Amino acid sequence: NAGVTQTPKFQVLKTGQSMTLQCAQDMNHEYMSWYRQDPGMGLRLIHYSVGAGITDQGEVPNGYNVSRSTTEDFPLRLLSAAPSQTSVYFCASSRDGLYNEQFFGPGTRLTVL
Amino acid sequence: QQPVQSPQAVILREGEDAVINCSSSKALYSVHWYRQKHGEAPVFLMILLKGGEQKGHEKISASFNEKKQQSSLYLTASQLSYSGTYFCGTEKEYNNNDMRFGAGTRLTVKP
Repeated sequence: NAGVTQTPKFQVLKTGQSMTLQCAQDMNHEYMSWYRQDPGMGLRLIHYSVGAGITDQGEVPNGYNVSRSTTEDFPLRLLSAAPSQTSVYFCASSRDGLYNEQFFGPGTRLTVL
Repeated sequence: QQPVQSPQAVILREGEDAVINCSSSKALYSVHWYRQKHGEAPVFLMILLKGGEQKGHEKISASFNEKKQQSSLYLTASQLSYSGTYFCGTEKEYNNNDMRFGAGTRLTVKP
Protein backbone atom coordinates (compact mmCIF):
# COMPACT_ATOMS: atom_id res chain seq x y z
CA ASN A 1 0.00 0.00 0.00
CA ALA A 2 1.24 3.46 -0.90
CA GLY A 3 -0.88 5.05 1.87
CA VAL A 4 -1.63 8.72 1.23
CA THR A 5 0.12 10.31 -1.73
CA GLN A 6 0.30 13.99 -2.68
CA THR A 7 1.50 15.76 -5.78
CA PRO A 8 3.35 17.96 -6.41
CA LYS A 9 5.89 18.10 -3.58
CA PHE A 10 6.82 21.69 -4.35
CA GLN A 11 5.05 24.43 -6.29
CA VAL A 12 5.66 28.09 -6.96
CA LEU A 13 2.77 30.21 -8.22
CA LYS A 14 2.28 33.84 -9.11
CA THR A 15 -0.50 35.81 -7.48
CA GLY A 16 -3.77 35.18 -9.26
CA GLN A 17 -2.84 31.81 -10.74
CA SER A 18 -4.94 28.76 -10.02
CA MET A 19 -3.87 25.19 -9.44
CA THR A 20 -4.94 21.85 -8.02
CA LEU A 21 -3.13 19.92 -5.34
CA GLN A 22 -3.68 16.21 -5.75
CA CYS A 23 -4.31 13.73 -2.94
CA ALA A 24 -5.00 10.02 -3.22
CA GLN A 25 -5.24 7.16 -0.73
CA ASP A 26 -5.40 3.41 -1.31
CA MET A 27 -6.65 2.33 2.12
CA ASN A 28 -10.36 2.64 1.30
CA HIS A 29 -10.79 5.30 3.99
CA GLU A 30 -14.08 7.18 4.03
CA TYR A 31 -12.72 10.30 5.73
CA MET A 32 -10.29 12.68 4.09
CA SER A 33 -9.05 16.14 5.05
CA TRP A 34 -6.88 18.98 3.87
CA TYR A 35 -4.76 20.98 6.30
CA ARG A 36 -2.37 23.85 5.99
CA GLN A 37 0.60 24.21 8.29
CA ASP A 38 2.13 27.59 8.99
CA PRO A 39 4.97 28.37 11.41
CA GLY A 40 3.73 28.80 14.97
CA MET A 41 0.12 28.01 14.01
CA GLY A 42 -0.16 24.26 14.08
CA LEU A 43 -2.32 22.42 11.57
CA ARG A 44 -5.52 24.11 10.44
CA LEU A 45 -8.33 22.28 8.68
CA ILE A 46 -9.30 23.69 5.27
CA HIS A 47 -11.92 21.25 3.98
CA TYR A 48 -12.91 17.71 4.74
CA SER A 49 -14.98 14.86 3.34
CA VAL A 50 -16.86 12.09 5.14
CA GLY A 51 -17.37 10.05 1.98
CA ALA A 52 -17.57 10.23 -1.80
CA GLY A 53 -19.77 13.12 -2.85
CA ILE A 54 -19.81 14.73 0.62
CA THR A 55 -17.57 17.65 1.55
CA ASP A 56 -17.68 20.43 4.09
CA GLN A 57 -15.70 23.45 5.22
CA GLY A 58 -13.16 23.44 7.97
CA GLU A 59 -11.60 26.27 9.93
CA VAL A 60 -9.98 28.16 7.02
CA PRO A 61 -11.86 27.38 3.77
CA ASN A 62 -11.72 30.75 1.99
CA GLY A 63 -9.89 30.65 -1.34
CA TYR A 64 -10.06 26.86 -1.65
CA ASN A 65 -12.44 24.38 -3.25
CA VAL A 66 -12.65 20.62 -2.99
CA SER A 67 -14.60 17.77 -4.52
CA ARG A 68 -14.76 14.06 -3.79
CA SER A 69 -15.97 12.07 -6.78
CA THR A 70 -14.29 8.83 -5.67
CA THR A 71 -13.29 7.32 -2.33
CA GLU A 72 -9.62 7.44 -3.34
CA ASP A 73 -9.15 11.03 -4.54
CA PHE A 74 -9.61 14.36 -2.81
CA PRO A 75 -8.11 17.26 -4.81
CA LEU A 76 -7.74 20.76 -3.39
CA ARG A 77 -8.16 23.70 -5.77
CA LEU A 78 -6.74 27.14 -5.25
CA LEU A 79 -8.97 29.48 -7.18
CA SER A 80 -6.79 32.61 -7.37
CA ALA A 81 -3.55 32.22 -5.43
CA ALA A 82 -2.55 34.88 -2.92
CA PRO A 83 0.71 35.28 -0.96
CA SER A 84 -1.25 34.46 2.23
CA GLN A 85 -1.71 30.95 0.84
CA THR A 86 2.02 30.27 1.00
CA SER A 87 2.15 27.26 3.29
CA VAL A 88 2.72 23.53 3.55
CA TYR A 89 -0.41 21.56 2.68
CA PHE A 90 -1.13 18.13 4.09
CA CYS A 91 -3.81 15.70 3.05
CA ALA A 92 -4.96 13.08 5.55
CA SER A 93 -7.30 10.11 5.59
CA SER A 94 -8.87 8.02 8.33
CA ARG A 95 -11.16 5.04 8.62
CA ASP A 96 -13.33 5.27 11.72
CA GLY A 97 -13.96 8.98 11.99
CA LEU A 98 -12.58 12.24 10.69
CA TYR A 99 -9.91 12.49 13.39
CA ASN A 100 -9.42 8.87 14.44
CA GLU A 101 -5.87 7.82 13.64
CA GLN A 102 -5.33 10.06 10.64
CA PHE A 103 -2.72 9.05 8.07
CA PHE A 104 -1.01 12.03 6.53
CA GLY A 105 0.51 12.42 3.10
CA PRO A 106 4.06 13.78 2.64
CA GLY A 107 2.87 17.34 2.04
CA THR A 108 3.06 19.99 -0.69
CA ARG A 109 5.15 23.09 -0.09
CA LEU A 110 3.48 25.98 -1.92
CA THR A 111 4.97 29.41 -2.44
CA VAL A 112 2.88 32.23 -3.90
CA LEU A 113 4.86 35.22 -5.19
CA GLN B 1 -9.88 27.81 20.64
CA GLN B 2 -6.43 26.55 19.75
CA PRO B 3 -5.01 24.49 22.61
CA VAL B 4 -1.87 25.79 24.28
CA GLN B 5 1.17 23.55 24.44
CA SER B 6 4.05 23.85 26.85
CA PRO B 7 6.94 23.99 26.75
CA GLN B 8 7.51 25.35 23.26
CA ALA B 9 10.81 23.53 23.03
CA VAL B 10 12.85 21.12 25.13
CA ILE B 11 16.32 19.65 24.77
CA LEU B 12 17.16 16.34 26.41
CA ARG B 13 20.04 13.92 26.66
CA GLU B 14 19.39 10.31 25.71
CA GLY B 15 17.78 8.49 28.60
CA GLU B 16 16.18 11.55 30.18
CA ASP B 17 12.44 11.99 30.63
CA ALA B 18 10.16 14.72 29.31
CA VAL B 19 6.60 15.90 29.81
CA ILE B 20 4.68 17.89 27.22
CA ASN B 21 1.43 19.57 28.22
CA CYS B 22 -1.64 20.52 26.19
CA SER B 23 -4.24 22.81 27.76
CA SER B 24 -7.61 24.08 26.62
CA SER B 25 -9.91 26.81 27.91
CA LYS B 26 -12.94 24.72 26.90
CA ALA B 27 -14.24 21.39 28.09
CA LEU B 28 -12.81 18.60 25.98
CA TYR B 29 -14.12 15.35 24.57
CA SER B 30 -10.82 14.04 23.24
CA VAL B 31 -7.14 14.79 22.89
CA HIS B 32 -4.99 13.49 20.03
CA TRP B 33 -1.20 13.35 19.94
CA TYR B 34 0.99 13.38 16.82
CA ARG B 35 4.73 13.53 16.21
CA GLN B 36 6.26 15.20 13.19
CA LYS B 37 9.89 14.88 12.21
CA HIS B 38 11.47 17.71 10.27
CA GLY B 39 10.28 17.79 6.67
CA GLU B 40 7.97 14.82 7.14
CA ALA B 41 4.26 14.23 7.68
CA PRO B 42 2.72 14.08 11.15
CA VAL B 43 2.40 10.56 12.53
CA PHE B 44 -0.40 9.52 14.87
CA LEU B 45 0.62 8.51 18.41
CA MET B 46 -2.60 8.10 20.41
CA ILE B 47 -6.08 9.34 21.25
CA LEU B 48 -7.40 9.95 24.74
CA LEU B 49 -11.16 10.11 25.24
CA LYS B 50 -13.20 11.71 27.98
CA GLY B 51 -13.76 9.10 30.65
CA GLY B 52 -11.18 6.83 29.09
CA GLU B 53 -8.00 5.35 30.46
CA GLN B 54 -4.48 6.60 30.28
CA LYS B 55 -2.89 5.38 27.06
CA GLY B 56 0.60 4.41 26.20
CA HIS B 57 2.92 2.03 24.52
CA GLU B 58 6.47 1.27 25.54
CA LYS B 59 8.02 4.48 26.80
CA ILE B 60 5.50 7.03 25.48
CA SER B 61 2.28 7.47 27.42
CA ALA B 62 -0.32 10.16 27.98
CA SER B 63 -2.96 11.20 30.45
CA PHE B 64 -6.12 13.29 30.15
CA ASN B 65 -7.38 15.36 33.08
CA GLU B 66 -10.94 16.28 32.15
CA LYS B 67 -11.44 18.63 35.09
CA LYS B 68 -8.36 20.64 34.20
CA GLN B 69 -8.99 20.34 30.45
CA GLN B 70 -5.41 19.25 30.07
CA SER B 71 -3.46 16.37 28.64
CA SER B 72 0.15 15.45 29.27
CA LEU B 73 2.45 13.36 27.09
CA TYR B 74 5.18 11.47 28.94
CA LEU B 75 8.35 10.37 27.20
CA THR B 76 10.42 8.08 29.37
CA ALA B 77 14.09 7.23 28.86
CA SER B 78 14.13 9.23 25.65
CA GLN B 79 15.83 7.92 22.53
CA LEU B 80 17.35 9.83 19.62
CA SER B 81 14.38 8.72 17.51
CA TYR B 82 12.01 10.68 19.77
CA SER B 83 13.26 13.96 18.34
CA GLY B 84 10.63 15.93 16.47
CA THR B 85 7.71 18.26 17.03
CA TYR B 86 4.81 16.97 19.08
CA PHE B 87 1.33 18.29 18.39
CA CYS B 88 -1.84 17.88 20.35
CA GLY B 89 -5.27 18.19 18.80
CA THR B 90 -8.41 18.69 20.83
CA GLU B 91 -12.10 18.09 20.19
CA LYS B 92 -14.85 19.68 22.29
CA GLU B 93 -17.57 17.28 21.21
CA TYR B 94 -17.82 13.84 19.68
CA ASN B 95 -17.94 13.85 15.89
CA ASN B 96 -18.20 17.64 15.67
CA ASN B 97 -15.46 17.77 13.02
CA ASP B 98 -13.89 20.75 14.75
CA MET B 99 -10.53 19.60 16.07
CA ARG B 100 -7.96 22.30 16.74
CA PHE B 101 -4.23 21.68 16.90
CA GLY B 102 -1.69 23.28 19.18
CA ALA B 103 1.37 25.06 17.81
CA GLY B 104 3.62 22.16 18.76
CA THR B 105 6.49 21.37 21.11
CA ARG B 106 9.90 20.86 19.56
CA LEU B 107 11.77 18.03 21.27
CA THR B 108 15.47 17.50 20.63
CA VAL B 109 17.24 14.46 22.04
CA LYS B 110 21.03 14.59 22.02
CA PRO B 111 23.49 11.71 22.49
